[in-house]
Amino acid sequence: ETGVTQTPRHLVMGMTNKKSLKCEQHLGHNAMYWYKQSAKKPLELMFVYSLEERVENNSVPSRFSPECPNSSHLFLHLHTLQPEDSALYLCASSQVPGASGGTDTQYFGPGTRLTVL
Amino acid sequence: KQEVTQIPAALSVPEGENLVLNCSFTDSAIYNLQWFRQDPGKGLTSLLLIQSSQREQTSGRLNASLDKSSGRSTLYIAASQPGDSATYLCAVYGNKLVFGAGTILRVKS
Repeated sequence: ETGVTQTPRHLVMGMTNKKSLKCEQHLGHNAMYWYKQSAKKPLELMFVYSLEERVENNSVPSRFSPECPNSSHLFLHLHTLQPEDSALYLCASSQVPGASGGTDTQYFGPGTRLTVL
Repeated sequence: KQEVTQIPAALSVPEGENLVLNCSFTDSAIYNLQWFRQDPGKGLTSLLLIQSSQREQTSGRLNASLDKSSGRSTLYIAASQPGDSATYLCAVYGNKLVFGAGTILRVKS
């Protein structure tokens, strides 16, 4: 399997649930990213990991908790979400750490469509 | 704070037309600019990446230009096809990657 994969592709959860989104990249990259895409709004960068270390947290509420156990895997743990958190969550990876001036292209996964009831 | 604007927000054209999508950004201190395509419910596919020192990039029927000093980029699509129907996103790399809201393109057969 190649590229960037995300699971699950669709997720429906209640506000009291705890769930996790998973991203895996098979490109040998050393930086990974979480983005949020809400309806009719630009993609918003949430978190950046470079060499498994978090280098950016873009003012994201604490109900979103990222985890990067190694350079190939990235998780987004969700708890006590709100209906306005419903969105498409996209993971991306790149060869060069992009937090301080990305110069290499980012490769995106297909996203997880999250619905919070 | 970098802001990226894409015009038009939506575009519907008959098959075969040449078309231009516009992107403007407020802070010219960028490393590069990238155009992506997004199909409904799918992730992003990179189309063209223009380094800040370059003026344009071409791939098949696509040509992207960059005028860093004026904060503008255009994506030119020649001889449009129904398969080109998608949302086209412009993104600029400065301190971080900042996206525009996209242009929704529909090419009618």
